[in-house]
Amino acid sequence: NAGVTQTPKFQVLKTGQSMTLQCAQDMNHEYMSWYRQDPGMGLRLIHYSVGAGITDQGEVPNGYNVSRSTTEDFPLRLLSAAPSQTSVYFCASSYSRVMNTEAFFGQGTRLTVV
Amino acid sequence: KQEVTQIPAALSVPEGENLVLNCSFTDSAIYNLQWFRQDPGKGLTSLLLIQSSQREQTSGRLNASLDKSSGRSTLYIAASQPGDSATYLCAVRGSGRRALTFGSGTRLQVQP
Repeated sequence: NAGVTQTPKFQVLKTGQSMTLQCAQDMNHEYMSWYRQDPGMGLRLIHYSVGAGITDQGEVPNGYNVSRSTTEDFPLRLLSAAPSQTSVYFCASSYSRVMNTEAFFGQGTRLTVV
Repeated sequence: KQEVTQIPAALSVPEGENLVLNCSFTDSAIYNLQWFRQDPGKGLTSLLLIQSSQREQTSGRLNASLDKSSGRSTLYIAASQPGDSATYLCAVRGSGRRALTFGSGTRLQVQP
């Protein structure tokens, strides 16, 4: 089982550049989300989706866009990269029809903005 | 707003010791609590999931307990091994956004 797959694993961007972080899951999970992990701050929710065509903001959404055209994919777009967006990004999914479900995480994308 | 705290932030123990990691949360209205392991530079691996109606869950040498009313969970690791060295994260799933709120983690080092 592939589970949750994130690409790329590493990326260096220049300030002002845009890019898309890819996330795909093959478990037919309805609920998907993006987190960023910064030293000493734990993981913080950026955006989430409860199903295809439905997205909403999390705790730290500024500078990021998402869309959910299929159940499998949930890409995260950085519109104009800033050094403050240097972080490790994790995508997660879970089967949301039943609330008490386990969350599965991808291996992360380590992003550096210079 | 839910806040999750993990104590201690770092822990170093000799191999073979039993140890307890602590997690506390401020809002007891949770659906479940999940413990994860994270190795350096890697993703999160789920260890145990405790539903809000449960008191504990066990998997091998790991035992997690949940006291929802007091906002506490513990992860007990028996007979620790060097391979247990990692950062352990707890996360609670609350109502509304169905998102997880994470603690900052406990970095565990088990000395051979």
